[in-house]
Amino acid sequence: EAGVVQSPRYKIIEKKQPVAFWCNPISGHNTLYWYLQNLGQGPELLIRYENEEAVDDSQLPKDRFSAERLKGVDSTLKIQPAELGDSAVYLCASSLAGNTDTQYFGPGTRLTVL
Amino acid sequence: KQEVTQIPAALSVPEGENLVLNCSFTDSAIYNLQWFRQDPGKGLTSLLLIQSSQREQTSGRLNASLDKSSGRSTLYIAASQPGDSATYLCAVGTGGGNKLTFGTGTQLKVEL
Repeated sequence: EAGVVQSPRYKIIEKKQPVAFWCNPISGHNTLYWYLQNLGQGPELLIRYENEEAVDDSQLPKDRFSAERLKGVDSTLKIQPAELGDSAVYLCASSLAGNTDTQYFGPGTRLTVL
Repeated sequence: KQEVTQIPAALSVPEGENLVLNCSFTDSAIYNLQWFRQDPGKGLTSLLLIQSSQREQTSGRLNASLDKSSGRSTLYIAASQPGDSATYLCAVGTGGGNKLTFGTGTQLKVEL
């Protein structure tokens, strides 16, 4: 069974440029998460989807970050414009449902903003 | 606000040694607790999931315990191997759903 797929794996951009990350969750997983992981820190939740609905986006900086999950499968996370402090690893995870299930993580996208 | 602390931040042990990693959390109203492993440049792999009603879970050489009332969990690794070298993250599930709050991790190195 394929795991969570993310692309690109690495991205280097100039500040003020836009950037987008893509995630394909495990087939059948209706819950999808985007996390931000700074160097030496644990991941922090940005947004959680149940199917196509964003049910927790309280930690998403909405002035520059946006996300969508059309048709309740793949998801895209966008930053526009990127700032130097956005350099981090962006992780996507998925789970079957609810708070009792293990979350399965993708390999992440490492973003460097110059 | 839930805060999760992991001690030690880094640990280096010789192969074959048994070891314990510690995790503490400030709010005991949790749904579950998970231990993850993260290898350099890779995502997280779930090792053990303990529901709030459980006291421990075991998988192979790994044993995780949970003491909700004192806000503590431990991950015990028996007979450590070089392949166990990685960062181990503890995550607490709270908030009426599956919101995970992670600790900063323990970086483990098992030497030959």
